Amino acid sequence: KQEVTQIPAALSVPEGENLVLNCSFTDSAIYNLQWFRQDPGKGLTSLLLIQSSQREQTSGRLNASLDKSSGRSTLYIAASQPGDSATYLCAVRGGGSNYKLTFGKGTLLTVNP
Amino acid sequence: GAVVSQHPSWVICKSGTSVKIECRSLDFQATTMFWYRQFPKQSLMLMATSNEGSKATYEQGVEKDKFLINHASLTLSTLTVTSAHPEDSSFYICSATPGTSGWGEQFFGPGTRLTVL
Repeated sequence: KQEVTQIPAALSVPEGENLVLNCSFTDSAIYNLQWFRQDPGKGLTSLLLIQSSQREQTSGRLNASLDKSSGRSTLYIAASQPGDSATYLCAVRGGGSNYKLTFGKGTLLTVNP
Repeated sequence: GAVVSQHPSWVICKSGTSVKIECRSLDFQATTMFWYRQFPKQSLMLMATSNEGSKATYEQGVEKDKFLINHASLTLSTLTVTSAHPEDSSFYICSATPGTSGWGEQFFGPGTRLTVL
């Protein structure tokens, strides 16, 4: 059974800092990995999708890497802004016939002005 | 980008009543949609996979007779919580994958907050 762990559970940084969020998963036979953002009481916004054959994806100030063999992914946020404050969720989609997304519990990020 | 809507965004109902939640893909067609449930400060738990024109696939421990799913068209899936009880109070979120494969990127709706009194 796939398990996804996100560290840290919460992170508070001053505005302008670069930061890294970590995600690990137990079964490396994944199809892809997605990073999402969730604001309080809201749905999920897809940030980046990394296919299993890829090493990283970039979108603006966000960069996500994937090391499938070690079961790890990182989300790098450059020059953080107060508007980046949210919960960031990592989710993996299993390989084979299991295309379900398995989510981590998320990292609650607070960027202080 | 791909947009998924949900209706209603919040609902309050009395215990014993049924509540229907709609999930629509606004600018794409989706053979496969997913229904999730999220408790406070918890992550999303997949309830069921909804397939257009066929029966939904429920996750272990999810009562299919209580959570009725209908995927009648390529842009609409509905979740009906039958005979709702206070323990069914939760945040329900749907997602959809464009196209005919369930493997692509998932796009999520804004969620529906259900409160059962």
